[in-house]
Amino acid sequence: GQNIDQPTEMTATEGAIVQINCTYQTSGFNGLFWYQQHAGEAPTFLSYNVLDGLEEKGRFSSFLSRSKGYSYLLLKELQMKDSASYLCAAMDSNYQLIWGAGTKLIIKP
Amino acid sequence: TAGITQAPTSQILAAGRSMTLRCTQDMRHNAMYWYRQDLGLGLRLIHYSNTAGTTGKGEVPDGYSVSRANTDDFPLTLASAVPSQTSVYFCASSERLGADIQYFGAGTRLSVL
Repeated sequence: GQNIDQPTEMTATEGAIVQINCTYQTSGFNGLFWYQQHAGEAPTFLSYNVLDGLEEKGRFSSFLSRSKGYSYLLLKELQMKDSASYLCAAMDSNYQLIWGAGTKLIIKP
Repeated sequence: TAGITQAPTSQILAAGRSMTLRCTQDMRHNAMYWYRQDLGLGLRLIHYSNTAGTTGKGEVPDGYSVSRANTDDFPLTLASAVPSQTSVYFCASSERLGADIQYFGAGTRLSVL
């Protein structure tokens, strides 16, 4: 079956760095997406990886290892507005996204 | 910039009644999607459309139907609602079906009693 695993909740301190891990199993693979979702709002796109390695975009970076079925999202210089859920989603061979349940990130001052 | 508009924002519906959730996009995207989001679960794809005039079934299509008469609109209909359809429904679109960014509407919160 197809499955995405990510931690349910994480807590970090303002100004610090946090890494959110995601492992995936899909029928075929066409890339790994990360989305941010604030409570009561729509998911918004953060990053996309299809090749192994690190993609950096400002304070956010995303890493992919296809051989390990593993990705992480790295958030630096955490701000209170980063408190949100972070959704990992893998695209399967039919170009459908398989979504994880999301990691709720709590930022403390 | 409107992007994707969903209506209504929220609704309470009696079991057995029908309802159509509306979704309109102004980005001229070819692909559109309907997801449901339930606590503790990831987003699950209900139906999708590759282009106007075509639709396909996602992971959880039972009890739902869609149509795509034109590029902009992608309504989702519940013919006879059941309590298990209580959920938050998100409509999304992307330029094409594939590894493209999906843009989401604000969601419709539906309670079936």
